[in-house]
Formats: sequence, C-alpha cells, structure tokens
Amino acid sequence: IAGITQAPTSQILAAGRRMTLRCTQDMRHNAMYWYRQDLGLGLRLIHYSNTAGTTGKGEVPDGYSVSRANTDDFPLTLASAVPSQTSVYFCASSDSTGSSTDTQYFGPGTRLTVL
Amino acid sequence: AQSVTQLGSHVSVSEGALVLLRCNYSSSVPPYLFWYVQYPNQGLQLLLKYTSAATLVKGINGFEAEFKKSETSFHLTKPSAHMSDAAEYFCAVRNNAGNMLTFGGGTRLMVKP
Repeated sequence: IAGITQAPTSQILAAGRRMTLRCTQDMRHNAMYWYRQDLGLGLRLIHYSNTAGTTGKGEVPDGYSVSRANTDDFPLTLASAVPSQTSVYFCASSDSTGSSTDTQYFGPGTRLTVL
Repeated sequence: AQSVTQLGSHVSVSEGALVLLRCNYSSSVPPYLFWYVQYPNQGLQLLLKYTSAATLVKGINGFEAEFKKSETSFHLTKPSAHMSDAAEYFCAVRNNAGNMLTFGGGTRLMVKP
C-alpha cells in the first residue's frame, strides 16, 4: 500500500508561471487536505475537501486553487506563482466518518521554490 | 478560534535523558489533540492522539502525553531519549465541530550522544 504519493518531489519555478502539485491516495479516504510548511509557523491549511466534488478554504487559500473530481486525487494549482509561495507542501487524507478522532495521514511533501 | 503554542523551537537533550516537549492550546470547545513527528525530508507521522478518553495517552516509540484541562496543556514526554528520536515534533488541535487541524510551530529535538 503506497498511502499518499505527491509529485513532483521538488520544483524550481519562475515567478508568474502556473504550477500544479499532484496528490494521490489509495486508502479510499473521503477527506483530503493541502498544507504548506514554513519555518517557525508549523503547517497551515490551504484548502481541504471533505468528499469528492466538494472543496473548502483553509487558513491561507489566496493564490491557490484545488479540485476534487474523484476520491483519490486532489491537485493543488498555483495560477501565477509568487516568491512568497516558496514552501514545502504536504497533502494529507483522513477517513472522516463523522468522528472527530480520525487521523490525518501525510504524504512525503513537495519542496517548491519560486524565483 | 483555536490555536496551539509550542514553547521552545529547539530542545536539546542527552541520550538517555528525559524528553519534555511543551504544548499549550486554546479552544472554545473540548479539543482533540495530536502529536506528530517529522523525520528529515519526510512527511508527518502520528505519534499519539487524545480523544477525550484517558487523559494519559501512550503513543509509539515510548512517547506519551498527558491532557491537563486546567493548564490547557498536552505536553509530550519520553523517559529516556534515543538518538533516533531526533526529529521535529508538532502539536495540533482540532475541535469537534470539524476535521481541520491547527498546528503549533514545531519543536526540533536534538539528542546528543
């Protein structure tokens, strides 16, 4: 079982370019999340999806968009990258059955540098 | 709104010494609390979670944490540090109204031989 895979592992991107970070899970979890990790700030939620076909905004959604066409995939798109979006991005998933005790499982991360 | 504060961005202990990583939270409703560990160049792994059952929670790798409502704390401890414990540790809180986590800033644990 692979769990959660993210691609690419790392990327250097010119400012103004469009970029999509990919996330796929094989656990059939209904909920998925995107976080960014910045030094001293921990992880901050960008967008989430409670189930296929629905998405919601997290703490820091500006400059990012997501889609959830099916259960397994949850891509994150930067329409026009800016240097402040340089970060490590983590995708996560959970089996949110209505219980608040469900655990979020994290992918290995994508390190993005915007120049 | 909920928030998490981890006191000490860096903690250094000697191998075999007690590990204590501090976490304080604020939440308007009874919280669910989590500790995650991140090894270099990896994603986060769940160490343990508090789900309103026993206040002393045991996790993997010998770690445990105690929920103290009066102190709004959920400190992580391990009696004897091992070199392999060197990593970054994150405390997180989620209220029972949703499934979104709020993370603290993280504490990097260094273990000296």
